[in-house]
Amino acid sequence: QLQLQESGPGLVKPSETLSLTCTVSGGSISSSSYYWGWIRQPPGKGLEWIGSIYYSGSTYYNPSLKSRVTLSVDTSKNQFSLKLTSVTAADTAVYYCARGGSGGNPHFDYWGQGTLVTVSS
Amino acid sequence: QSVLTQPPSASGTPGQRVTISCSGGTSNIGSNYVYWYQQLPGTAPKLLIYRNNQRPSGVPDRFSGSKSGTSASLAISGLRSEDEADYYCAAWDDSLSGQVFGGGTKLTVL
Repeated sequence: QLQLQESGPGLVKPSETLSLTCTVSGGSISSSSYYWGWIRQPPGKGLEWIGSIYYSGSTYYNPSLKSRVTLSVDTSKNQFSLKLTSVTAADTAVYYCARGGSGGNPHFDYWGQGTLVTVSS
Repeated sequence: QSVLTQPPSASGTPGQRVTISCSGGTSNIGSNYVYWYQQLPGTAPKLLIYRNNQRPSGVPDRFSGSKSGTSASLAISGLRSEDEADYYCAAWDDSLSGQVFGGGTKLTVL
């Protein structure tokens, strides 16, 4: 059974960089059929797609976040990562990693449990 | 303001059939697949419907999806108390070159 687990600091200061890693177990991140994505959810609000990455490094980003987001993948560790720069309180959210569908389809069939990241000084 | 528009709330009684709408445009729903997610309180979203009307293994056939033009709907028949959750639609948007979610609909089982 595929499992995803987010990890990273739960508290980030304003203007700093948020960094999260998603570790995939029970399957290979190098599978040719899937993208790997990040989705966030501010407290009490809806879902927002951040971006998706293929094991080769090909990426899709949410245009509204693109200037601040970098996704990367480490196939040797079966992990993929998110960096979000210049964070503000508006970036406070539960961040989920998930296995996505081919190309840009929002076909997320396996999800991590989510990790709350709070932006505060 | 979400690109895909959903009613903020919906409700029904046990056994009833309820539908949740998702309205978009030609660049998203009109030209791409629609996906639906169920999010129970305090948990990660779960894929409920993919490619407009396909159910992943394990999703009861009480849940069904449809699409017409630039709108899509999720129908839940034989409503149960455990269906009380937030429901989100999603699609790829060609104009934005990105994935978009609806604002979510909170379903209450009365």
